[in-house]
Amino acid sequence: DQQVKQNSPSLSVQEGRISILNCDYTNSMFDYFLWYKKYPAEGPTFLISISSIKDKNEDGRFTVFLNKSAKHLSLHIVPSQPGDSAVYFCAAINQGGKLIFGQGTELSVKP
Amino acid sequence: ETGVTQSPTHLIKTRGQQVTLRCSSQSGHNTVSWYQQALGQGPQFIFQYYREEENGRGNFPPRFSGLQFPNYSSELNVNALELDDSALYLCASSWRGQGNYGYTFGSGTRLTVV
Repeated sequence: DQQVKQNSPSLSVQEGRISILNCDYTNSMFDYFLWYKKYPAEGPTFLISISSIKDKNEDGRFTVFLNKSAKHLSLHIVPSQPGDSAVYFCAAINQGGKLIFGQGTELSVKP
Repeated sequence: ETGVTQSPTHLIKTRGQQVTLRCSSQSGHNTVSWYQQALGQGPQFIFQYYREEENGRGNFPPRFSGLQFPNYSSELNVNALELDDSALYLCASSWRGQGNYGYTFGSGTRLTVV
């Protein structure tokens, strides 16, 4: 039962362009969503989050959009940089306060 | 402020054996969660410990067990290892009550079962 889904396993973007990573969820009771970034041989690091009472949260080059009616969120990175190349995980907080992760999307930003 | 430390970084075990993985939580954190990340998948929640007691468990069999110590460090024990237990095991610490996004992850232990 995959409650958080990232349907694109990989994404390739040119440096300077926009990267859009997508995430869908099934549980309407989720009230907080997060994006994590993971480099090989390192643990996930927190990137940006959004509460379900908002539809947008911005932090520098990173913006997360939430569409509750569609149970969909997306992470926009603009402009994309080669150092952004990593695996990005979407996660939600369940009713028990636990993180539920998607499968991840591997972003490759080419110079 | 020290981060989350996991040991060992890599481990190879034989099917049927038992393994213990260790995690030192970030200074000031009182809750530890364990996750299993299989190749090509996202981290799957195993269980969480708060005040030395299990505080929530994912869909993992009883041969996965854990401990939390008074200093908030934690162990993950897996008995009767199976080949499918091969994965990256991640530990995350947090401060219960701080807010739901206060998770700090360690670099993980790569377990290979042969």
